[in-house]
Amino acid sequence: QQQVKQSPQSLIVQKGGISIINCAYENTAFDYFPWYQQFPGKGPALLIAIRPDVSEKKEGRFTISFNKSAKQFSLHIMDSQPGDSATYFCAASNGGGADGLTFGKGTHLIIQP
Amino acid sequence: DVKVTQSSRYLVKRTGEKVFLECVQDMDHENMFWYRQDPGLGLRLIYFSYDVKMKEKGDIPEGYSVSREKKERFSLILESASTNQTSMYLCASSFIGLALSGELFFGEGSRLTVL
Repeated sequence: QQQVKQSPQSLIVQKGGISIINCAYENTAFDYFPWYQQFPGKGPALLIAIRPDVSEKKEGRFTISFNKSAKQFSLHIMDSQPGDSATYFCAASNGGGADGLTFGKGTHLIIQP
Repeated sequence: DVKVTQSSRYLVKRTGEKVFLECVQDMDHENMFWYRQDPGLGLRLIYFSYDVKMKEKGDIPEGYSVSREKKERFSLILESASTNQTSMYLCASSFIGLALSGELFFGEGSRLTVL
């Protein structure tokens, strides 16, 4: 049973465009929703995270939008750049997260110059 | 700078061999994790540990075991490697409770090929 569903699996965006990746979850006990970014040959690294008490969080060109009632959250990358080309994973955890994160299947993002 | 080090980046093993994947973190983190990454399947949790000598099964523990004798070191063991265990293995660590730090720190991965 996949607890975090991520879409699309792959995405191609022109430089300067907006990249949008969506995730949905079922477990209402989840209380922490991070996004991780992974470049080839590297481990994933935390990009931005949100908790359900806010509907949006912005850090530079990256924004998480969170819809608690729909159990959905999304990552928006504004003014996408070729350096943003990477695999992006959404994730969720509950109860403080001592048992780790449940990850989506990932989105391979390519930003074309 | 925080660091999670996986000792082997690339390994090639034969079916039936015993395989050890080592992971060391220098951040004094309580929690350590082993994930497996496969194309189209994302990251799946194999085992985790929240204290020395403690271990908990994740979502896909079958065929694996772990060892945590010291706080900074977490080892993944494949008792008898099989071809379906060919994968990228990622070690991670965090402070106790993600609610505190909000972040998992990952190593660069160990790519295992079982022939």
